[in-house]
This record gives sequence, C-alpha cells and structure tokens, in this order.
Amino acid sequence: KAGVTQTPRYLIKTRGQQVTLSCSPISGHRSVSWYQQTPGQGLQFLFEYFSETQRNKGNFPGRFSGRQFSNSRSEMNVSTLELGDSALYLCASSLADPRNEKLFFGSGTQLSVL
Amino acid sequence: GQQVMQIPQYQHVQEGEDFTTYCNSSTTLSNIQWYKQRPGGHPVFLIQLVKSGEVKKQKRLTFQFGEAKKNSSLHITATQTTDVGTYFCAGNSGNTPLVFGKGTRLSVIA
Repeated sequence: KAGVTQTPRYLIKTRGQQVTLSCSPISGHRSVSWYQQTPGQGLQFLFEYFSETQRNKGNFPGRFSGRQFSNSRSEMNVSTLELGDSALYLCASSLADPRNEKLFFGSGTQLSVL
Repeated sequence: GQQVMQIPQYQHVQEGEDFTTYCNSSTTLSNIQWYKQRPGGHPVFLIQLVKSGEVKKQKRLTFQFGEAKKNSSLHITATQTTDVGTYFCAGNSGNTPLVFGKGTRLSVIA
C-alpha cells in the first residue's frame, strides 16, 4: 500500500508570491491534516479535512487555505508569502478521525521563502 | 486553548543509559499519541494511550498515561544509536484537533 505522497519535496519562493502544496493520502483514508513544522516549534496544526469539508482550522492567518477533493487528495495554498512562512509542511492522513487514530505522515514539502 | 508541554527539549545520553521524556497538558486528554521523527525524516506513529493509568510496552520503550489523563511519559531503557530522533507527544480534548508538543530531541553518544 503506497504511503502519503506530498509534492513538491522542495520549493523556493520569494516574498509576496503564492504557493500550492499537494498531498495524496493513503488509499482509503478520508481525513487529511496539515501541519507546519519549524525548528524548535514542533508541529503546529493548520487544518483538517474530511470528505471535502474542513473540520478544524488552526490559528493561522487567512493567507493559509486548503481544500480537499472528492478523491481525498488535498491541497494547501499560502498567498503573499512572508519570510516566516519558511518551514516544513507536513500532511498526514488517517481513516476518518485524526484525533483518535494514528496519523500517517508524508515526507513533507520544505518551503523556503527568500 | 489547549496546550501540550514537553520536557526536556533536548537530551544527550551515553549509549546504554536510560531516557525519559515527559508530556503535560493544560486540560484532560481524551487520548495521547507518541511519534518519533528521525533526523531528516517525518513523524512516525509509535503508540496511542486511551485509558487512565494505562501502561504499554514496546520492547525497550515504556509508555504511561497519567491517572488524571493530563500527563504522559515515554521511557527508553538502555538507549541505542537507533533511538536517535525527536519524540513528540500529541493529544486532544473532546473535539479539539490533535495538538503536538514541541518534542524532545534525543542524541545518543556511542
């Protein structure tokens, strides 16, 4: 069974640009969660999707958005990039409820904003 | 909002020594999960604890969930170089999303 796939693996952007990250969950998993990881800050919750609906959203500005498609694939978008957005963005999939099930993480997208 | 604090932030041990990381929540947790992230890798699920006072073992790893379901610990006996990485706890209360601690980075000196 294929794992969680995130693309691209690395991304370099400049301030003010926008970026779209993609996540394909494990087949059969309907929940996708996104996390931002920066050194020393651990994993900060961005949002969670289930069956194309956003179920939870973290404390991030409106520049961060996401969506989920009918095949459970998810994308997140960051507009008007800032230097502080440089981070590893991790996607995690679970069967239905990430609060009570193990999460399977992708390898992440390393975003650098110059 | 819900916070999950983890200590210590870093731990350096000699190979063969024991290691413990602690996780404390500001609220009562529904469950707690533990993950390990190797350097350059992504978090990998280790275990989930649900019951008050629960203790689970995986070979040299022992996981505990406090009686009040507000704290948890991970203890590694006789560390090996393969144990190197960052250990994260994550918990949630009710309908809140899963909140991760900042992790404990373990270094093992051979």
